[in-house]
Amino acid sequence: GENVEQHPSTLSVQEGDSAVIKCTYSDSASNYFPWYKQELGKRPQLIIDIRSNVGEKKDQRIAVTLNKTAKHFSLHITETQPEDSAVYFCAASKGGGSEKLVFGKGTKLTVNP
Amino acid sequence: GAGVSQSPSNKVTEKGKDVELRCDPISGHTALYWYRQSLGQGLEFLIYFQGNSAPDKSGLPSDRFSAERTGGSVSTLTIQRTQQEDSAVYLCASSYNRVHSGNTIYFGEGSWLTVV
Repeated sequence: GENVEQHPSTLSVQEGDSAVIKCTYSDSASNYFPWYKQELGKRPQLIIDIRSNVGEKKDQRIAVTLNKTAKHFSLHITETQPEDSAVYFCAASKGGGSEKLVFGKGTKLTVNP
Repeated sequence: GAGVSQSPSNKVTEKGKDVELRCDPISGHTALYWYRQSLGQGLEFLIYFQGNSAPDKSGLPSDRFSAERTGGSVSTLTIQRTQQEDSAVYLCASSYNRVHSGNTIYFGEGSWLTVV
């Protein structure tokens, strides 16, 4: 079945710097890749997603890139702010009757003021 | 409702007891999912409902776990004869329709289960 690896597990940056989180997936049939942000004790919230028909998607300070050949995708956060501090999860899904998301283990991002 | 609603928010139970966790999805959402999140870990898929049927229940860890959905709305996750390793946050999520039709999955706040 699908396996998603996420790196790094922890990331600490200074406010204003950029942060990059990378994920790789194993199943070449996967075609939907969302990113969720989870603050302590809160629900995971979708921040951006990408489908396999595009290579990059951007929403203000957040962007996601997808390389289907290499089977990896990345989250880029620019001009980081303390409120960006949270755990970020990547996920992959392949459809075809299976709607489940397979998640990475998460990256704890800390943005230091 | 405004979002996915789960109850109870917290549950402490004794080992060997049965527990029921309830999920009320966003109104009109046909797809419903259960995930489990252990402390400091990622989200582990348990089961997916489309309407009242469960096309994918491959993530249920043992036959002590079961789930049902009635009326295409509320779902209940039941854990029988709970074990300490069942302690986790159980997250429910819903989407308007299939993710691969372009829909987004929205999560509830979760039910924190502690088995003592």
